[in-house]
Amino acid sequence: GAGVSQSPSNKVTEKGKDVELRCDPISGHTALYWYRQRLGQGLEFLIYFQGNSAPDKSGLPSDRFSAERTGESVSTLTIQRTQQEDSAVYLCASSLAGTGLSKNIQYFGAGTRLSVL
Amino acid sequence: AQSVTQLGSHVSVSEGALVLLRCNYSSSVPPYLFWYVQYPNQGLQLLLKYTSAATLVKGINGFEAEFKKSETSFHLTKPSAHMSDAAEYFCAVSDRGSQGNLIFGKGTKLSVKP
Repeated sequence: GAGVSQSPSNKVTEKGKDVELRCDPISGHTALYWYRQRLGQGLEFLIYFQGNSAPDKSGLPSDRFSAERTGESVSTLTIQRTQQEDSAVYLCASSLAGTGLSKNIQYFGAGTRLSVL
Repeated sequence: AQSVTQLGSHVSVSEGALVLLRCNYSSSVPPYLFWYVQYPNQGLQLLLKYTSAATLVKGINGFEAEFKKSETSFHLTKPSAHMSDAAEYFCAVSDRGSQGNLIFGKGTKLSVKP
């Protein structure tokens, strides 16, 4: 597609339920990032995928959070047993592989706004 | 660890006035530097980036930013604000040689008064 696509755009869930967020990166982009944006805050890095390498999960806030990526395409971010503090906008970004600046230019989706009641 | 500070969570200017949004980074080695803009209910859009060539970087929509190593700053400016510039602006850095994680400031919401 033309850009990074995320679904759903909005998700309301009850505390304790599991949610799954989806990201379709730009075709040809092998790097994919998930970020979380809480109200009034900047973006926090969550997880990074690069090709078939092991993902960098260092930003995941707890073991309730996990993410998968199928090859170099779709990624899903799963939050189990959601808590109210998980309410945020979850943004996905993709970038080209390689060294230097090219991999540092990230293109963002519109995000999924998660509300945990 | 690298950090980014954006001074002022909210800036208000009149239409036609100068826009100045401040950003400072913490590392001693100049990183890659970026400004992103976020319009309501949209994702982040890249405004401009610093790559270590010219210190004055021009971006889209008439914005520019100047890299000042001595001040570890990368402030964003626009000579004349337009109503359509109202949005949230994020400064971000990425360490050279890293996997590309962006470290973001907390953002500055720009309001433009008629």
